[in-house]
Amino acid sequence: QSVLTQPPSASGTPGQRVTISCSGSNSNIGGNFVYWYQQFPGTAPKLLIYRNNQRPSGVPDRFSGSKSGTSASLAISGLRSGDEADYYCATWDDSLSGWVFGGGTKLTV
Amino acid sequence: EVQLLESGGGLAQPGGSLRLSCTASGFAFSSYAMSWVRQAPGEGLEWVSGIKGGGGGTYYGGSVKGRFTIYRDDSKDTLFLQMNSLRAADTGIYYCAKADRIDYPHIESWGQGTLVTVSS
Repeated sequence: QSVLTQPPSASGTPGQRVTISCSGSNSNIGGNFVYWYQQFPGTAPKLLIYRNNQRPSGVPDRFSGSKSGTSASLAISGLRSGDEADYYCATWDDSLSGWVFGGGTKLTV
Repeated sequence: EVQLLESGGGLAQPGGSLRLSCTASGFAFSSYAMSWVRQAPGEGLEWVSGIKGGGGGTYYGGSVKGRFTIYRDDSKDTLFLQMNSLRAADTGIYYCAKADRIDYPHIESWGQGTLVTVSS
């Protein structure tokens, strides 16, 4: 059971906007930055969003992150078939003194 | 460009040991926290351990505390993970990861991973 809760799956059609939620608590999301990662099958994860809503260079602005209280969301607009991947949220947990991941969301386009 | 190259994975028997290494390049290694993250076959990501930069402290996930030891050699830009008392549940791909800060494992970059299989 992951500390952060994500829906196991999400789906959309090309061009649509989809959001993936990540729910936590005051000891993790509530007091710390949230990061999002994208992982294609057989490859290493890649940073998509850092510090709640910042995009690394090279990440399209179709990807956006937000945080409110003890929850965070990743939004993907203008959905493309190439966005099919697993998406993970992560943050620091003050109670566990550790970095925690959500269980991951498999996006189908 | 940040590059992280893991090595040392392989087959180990239950109760045995392995040492993973991660050679870093493209950034000031000593100034950043580093982590190990693993992924069991078909499963999600699990943070294993982290170490601060600048000679700071270490952090461990609950499932490996007391069995695994993370350490670094800043003179060689290398991160290590000593894994003892291995269990079948430790099987998976182990990723070396770089943080975007010196003190906490806020992961921004990943290596390609090395496979660890624990089986008799």
